[in-house]
Amino acid sequence: DTGVSQNPRHKITKRGQNVTFRCDPISEHNRLYWYRQTLGQGPEFLTYFQNEAQLEKSRLLSDRFSAERPKGSFSTLEIQRTEQGDSAMYLCASSSGTSGGMYTQYFGPGTRLTVL
Amino acid sequence: RKEVEQDPGPFNVPEGATVAFNCTYSNSASQSFFWYRQDCRKEPKLLMSVYSSGNEDGRFTAQLNRASQYISLLIRDSKLSDSATYLCVVNPVGAGGSYIPTFGRGTSLIVHP
Repeated sequence: DTGVSQNPRHKITKRGQNVTFRCDPISEHNRLYWYRQTLGQGPEFLTYFQNEAQLEKSRLLSDRFSAERPKGSFSTLEIQRTEQGDSAMYLCASSSGTSGGMYTQYFGPGTRLTVL
Repeated sequence: RKEVEQDPGPFNVPEGATVAFNCTYSNSASQSFFWYRQDCRKEPKLLMSVYSSGNEDGRFTAQLNRASQYISLLIRDSKLSDSATYLCVVNPVGAGGSYIPTFGRGTSLIVHP
């Protein structure tokens, strides 16, 4: 399968714990996005990488969230000191593109986080 | 006002009907527009890009109205398999000069026999 993959698919954790999710984009894509989606809402932008550079980060993203893409390939999203409000589906997407403009994003299946 | 607004629906239509959704956006500097389809508990998948001149793909037609700041999606001859949530995506330019995809909350379509 050459699509976007995410691991784990499901994560249940207790409030206050740290969690880390991984995203493997389509291999030739240089852009990678993280989103959060809750029931009845569209995906909410969290952050975006072009290669290894984190170019944008949502103002809504608290300091408990951090993302990395160390070698411009896979990415990790870490949430520290999880809160019940963090329960959501975390989606990763990748796209090609080296200049301005928006290119088609391909989404992974998501990681569903439940914070108890 | 939200950056991207969609009527959540649901739109309940019989097979064969024609249905149209609109999506309004607030940032006039938005450059790129897309429609995605999302099935229940699945990831979004691209349905079509929206070009300034409008574009058609089979039963689906997308249009952009920059003056009124909305995009539309028209589905003709609805099929049961069209039942899904339709998300619009608008891309205003971020502070760093890059594009920040902004999704609407989606419009739910239910096609019944």
